[in-house]
Amino acid sequence: EPEVTQTPSHQVTQMGQEVILRCVPISNHLYFYWYRQILGQKVEFLVSFYNNEISEKSEIFDDQFSVERPDGSNFTLKIRSTKLEDSAMYFCASLSQGTYNQPQHFGDGTRLSIL
Amino acid sequence: AQRVTQPEKLLSVFKGAPVELKCNYSYSGSPELFWYVQYSRQRLQLLLRHISRESIKGFTADLNKGETSFHLKKPFAQEEDSAMYYCALGGEETSGSRLTFGEGTQLTVNP
Repeated sequence: EPEVTQTPSHQVTQMGQEVILRCVPISNHLYFYWYRQILGQKVEFLVSFYNNEISEKSEIFDDQFSVERPDGSNFTLKIRSTKLEDSAMYFCASLSQGTYNQPQHFGDGTRLSIL
Repeated sequence: AQRVTQPEKLLSVFKGAPVELKCNYSYSGSPELFWYVQYSRQRLQLLLRHISRESIKGFTADLNKGETSFHLKKPFAQEEDSAMYYCALGGEETSGSRLTFGEGTQLTVNP
């Protein structure tokens, strides 16, 4: 069964540095998402991406964040200048089409640790 | 605004006992509801979605619009059911819209 893959599985970065988290969605999927989960808290939506543009973003997704689909297969999340509070598990998800009750498929996540 | 409430953070039952994980939602439109399961440090996996009305691994969930609930049930819990369970809500207004997750319930099934 096809899967969403994320790299790296764990990223350790100094505060203030840029970080890029990578995702390869399922190949025929059209919608792409990033979520994050701070340790001990719920999974929170960050951003959705469709037709090469952001379709929705949450209040968490400020100017420090950006997403890109540079080559038709990868989907990246960039955090420009990381803060301590960016430490979290980041999940990528993809969805085949936006019809009713279609499930999003999640990757294994990238654990981001900011020092 | 969309909201999902899972009132129990922790739930512990013995093997063979029935289990019910509660989920209530708040949404003005017609909801899309899902249960996802996360086994120890693994990915979020889809367990059920309300439209399919199927039973997966013995689990069922019925959407009750009157009570705005989507509780997950299993008549006889197994040790391998121990995991984190998340109820998630999507909305129909926008294709491919975000999922709103509940806090999650950590289910432990004891031998």
